[in-house]
Amino acid sequence: KQEVTQIPAALSVPEGENLVLNCSFTDSAIYNLQWFRQDPGKGLTSLLLIQSSQREQTSGRLNASLDKSSGRSTLYIAASQPGDSATYLCARGDGQNFVFGPGTRLSVLP
Amino acid sequence: DGGITQSPKYLFRKEGQNVTLSCEQNLNHDAMYWYRQDPGQGLRLIYYSQIVNDFQKGDIAEGYSVSREKKESFPLTVTSAQKNPTAFYLCASSMGNNEQFFGPGTRLTVL
Repeated sequence: KQEVTQIPAALSVPEGENLVLNCSFTDSAIYNLQWFRQDPGKGLTSLLLIQSSQREQTSGRLNASLDKSSGRSTLYIAASQPGDSATYLCARGDGQNFVFGPGTRLSVLP
Repeated sequence: DGGITQSPKYLFRKEGQNVTLSCEQNLNHDAMYWYRQDPGQGLRLIYYSQIVNDFQKGDIAEGYSVSREKKESFPLTVTSAQKNPTAFYLCASSMGNNEQFFGPGTRLTVL
């Protein structure tokens, strides 16, 4: 069974710090990997999508990388801000549907 | 203004009652998905549909039913057979198997 794990489960950092969130998956036959942000009580907002043929994607202060051989993806957030506080989820796509990790809850302290 | 809408935002169900959650998209996406999210947990797939008039069970389909009569609509019915339906329900769509877009969710509570 495909599994997706995320480490750490929760993270608290002071404003301005750079940080890395980790996502691991068990099957290297990946189609794509997507990172999302979820605010409390809300739906998911897509942040970055990495296709299996790509190694990384960037959007503003966010950079996501994909290493299929090791079954890992990382989300790098530069110069964190209090508005970045949310839960971040990764999802592994296999070409049919998606398997989600449990998320990392991020708090950025002013 | 393209996107995915879900209604209602909050829904209350009595024991033994069936309820239907609405999901509509105007993104012209072929694929649509229903997920359930419990507190502190990731999303679990209930049903998905890759094309009109076709759908497949996900990991936790028992006690749920769906239909896909129109490309833009994918309603989810929570039946009385679902013994623990209190959760946050999220609908998503994608073109092919690429980037997923989500609706705002429906919070279902059993009274």
